[in-house]
Amino acid sequence: SQTIHQWPATLVQPVGSPLSLECTVEGTSNPNLYWYRQAAGRGLQLLFYSVGIGQISSEVPQNLSASRPQDRQFILSSKKLLLSDSGFYLCAWSAEVYGYTFGSGTRLTVV
Amino acid sequence: SQKIEQNSEALNIQEGKTATLTCNYTNYSPAYLQWYRQDPGRGPVFLLLIRENEKEKRKERLKVTFDTTLKQSLFHITASQPADSATYLCALQAGTALIFGKGTTLSVSS
Repeated sequence: SQTIHQWPATLVQPVGSPLSLECTVEGTSNPNLYWYRQAAGRGLQLLFYSVGIGQISSEVPQNLSASRPQDRQFILSSKKLLLSDSGFYLCAWSAEVYGYTFGSGTRLTVV
Repeated sequence: SQKIEQNSEALNIQEGKTATLTCNYTNYSPAYLQWYRQDPGRGPVFLLLIRENEKEKRKERLKVTFDTTLKQSLFHITASQPADSATYLCALQAGTALIFGKGTTLSVSS
């Protein structure tokens, strides 16, 4: 069966520090991968998606970036965090036309 | 501009009643629409997908309708239970990725 792993679960980082969140998927090949952010009281905002290794599409211009170094690995990064980067970050995968499977999320607080 | 609106931020109902949640969209022509459940501090969980040529879809106590003329989907939970309390999100495919509404938080009281 397919599983998705996302870590860490919580993270407190100072303003200006770097960020690296990792997501891996097991049990499927060539999945579509996504990063979403959910700020307090707001909906899910699509940040990045990837349809293959090295293929990244950005939906929202910001100081975040994403990479897909391997087929089932998706990384969200930042060189310098801002207060506004705080939120609940969710990784998800999908295959063709079907529901997304989300990871358990990372609660990021920038202080 | 494209919009997905879930018209109620919160819905409170009594156990045993039917909960009806609404999702409206503008400036989209989605081939299908999806509904998810999200519990506090957790990622959304996929519930149902309905295609544009399907008027209605059911799964146990859940029923979804999709009216492409009205640009609306209704999500029903029959015989609701306190365990159904959660935030429910509708989502549309826009390009390669799903775009989500802000959700409706359902509270079922016993």
